[in-house]
Amino acid sequence: GESVGLHLPTLSVQEGDNSIINCAYSNSASDYFIWYKQESGKGPQFIIDIRSNMDKRQGQRVTVLLNKTVKHLSLQIAATQPGDSAVYFCAESRQRTGFQKLVFGTGTRLLVSP
Amino acid sequence: KAGVTQTPRYLIKTRGQQVTLSCSPISGHRSVSWYQQTPGQGLQFLFEYFSETQRNKGNFPGRFSGRQFSNSRSEMNVSTLELGDSALYLCASSLVGRRPENGYTFGSGTRLTVV
Repeated sequence: GESVGLHLPTLSVQEGDNSIINCAYSNSASDYFIWYKQESGKGPQFIIDIRSNMDKRQGQRVTVLLNKTVKHLSLQIAATQPGDSAVYFCAESRQRTGFQKLVFGTGTRLLVSP
Repeated sequence: KAGVTQTPRYLIKTRGQQVTLSCSPISGHRSVSWYQQTPGQGLQFLFEYFSETQRNKGNFPGRFSGRQFSNSRSEMNVSTLELGDSALYLCASSLVGRRPENGYTFGSGTRLTVV
């Protein structure tokens, strides 16, 4: 079925700590995964993506890990800053739909304390 | 360049009424997708339009419909509103066939409240 879920609804960290946000997906046919950040009053903003033929991808302060064996995706944020406070969504995309249809997880709220 | 523009930002309607939301994509983007966001269900895909044709559709009742114009602007309509239709409605525009990092951009949404 089409379901992408998250383990934790809220994650609280201290500024400077590393944050890890997890996501589980159910469809092994998914071939592309994306992490989005959504701040209050705004639409989701693209953070980083990973194809199903990769295990890890790094960006600026962010790393996405994909474990296809257990259908698990994680987003790691290094040296978390107050500006990282937002809701984070993982999303699943399938090339056969032309990438225009995304299946989103329910979201994890990240709270960063100074 | 201008981003995805959604109007209005906020809307309050009464049960049984109908509503039309508008989305203007980024210039040059020809694909527009619509999503419904609620606290309980999260972000759910409604439909996608390209070249004035609906290409993909999510699992929503027929009360939810949309269309796209020749300038790629899109509208979605919800008829016979129910309380459960209260949500943030987001649209995203993209270049056809491109992965999300290549231009799948969301607007800020229209907050619809049904009373």
